[in-house]
Amino acid sequence: EAQVTQNPRYLITVTGKKLTVTCSQNMNHEYMSWYRQDPGLGLRQIYYSMNVEVTDKGDVPEGYKVSRKEKRNFPLILESPSPNQTSLYFCASSLYPGRSYEQYFGPGTRLTVT
Amino acid sequence: AQTVTQSQPEMSVQEAETVTLSCTYDTSENNYYLFWYKQPPSRQMILVIRQEAYKQQNATENRFSVNFQKAAKSFSLKISDSQLGDTAMYFCAFATFRNTGNQFYFGTGTSLTVIP
Repeated sequence: EAQVTQNPRYLITVTGKKLTVTCSQNMNHEYMSWYRQDPGLGLRQIYYSMNVEVTDKGDVPEGYKVSRKEKRNFPLILESPSPNQTSLYFCASSLYPGRSYEQYFGPGTRLTVT
Repeated sequence: AQTVTQSQPEMSVQEAETVTLSCTYDTSENNYYLFWYKQPPSRQMILVIRQEAYKQQNATENRFSVNFQKAAKSFSLKISDSQLGDTAMYFCAFATFRNTGNQFYFGTGTSLTVIP
């Protein structure tokens, strides 16, 4: 089944404890992206990647890191999480960038930082 | 800066009726892409419809259609014959292409309730 998977789905952590949210797609998509969703703010793009080793900042990259060492994986790293990073996170992928190709979204990761 | 505005936080419609969700955006780009996404209570993001800015013809997908007014920077979504399964949060989104990929901007969403 074609899908985008995220792990974990739910995470409660403490301020300053490094964490990684994994994202993997099995559709051989070139483009991948991370978003955060907060009430009243909609979705905001954190980072995106056009292909292996090609990443760029979205609208809200502060406090996050990403890497794209393999085409299928695009992990989101929070080196020192803070409470303002409590949010619902979505990973998405699409076949190619540059066109109106459909983005396939993962199921979301609910992160709480205390 | 690119912005997307959805001025209707909440809307409701009777089953089988028609409803229009509004969206405006601001950009200096000439080539871009517009989308409407649906997010039901399951939180899954589902693409409803998409429009490329260079295409003048409005996109349609079954009961869903858009009214794309490029000069006015307006991109409204019309849902015909509303069904209970249309109850969801709807997000308007705008994408521009950079050398490193697509940058996306989403509106704050419109919560739509279909009333039986």
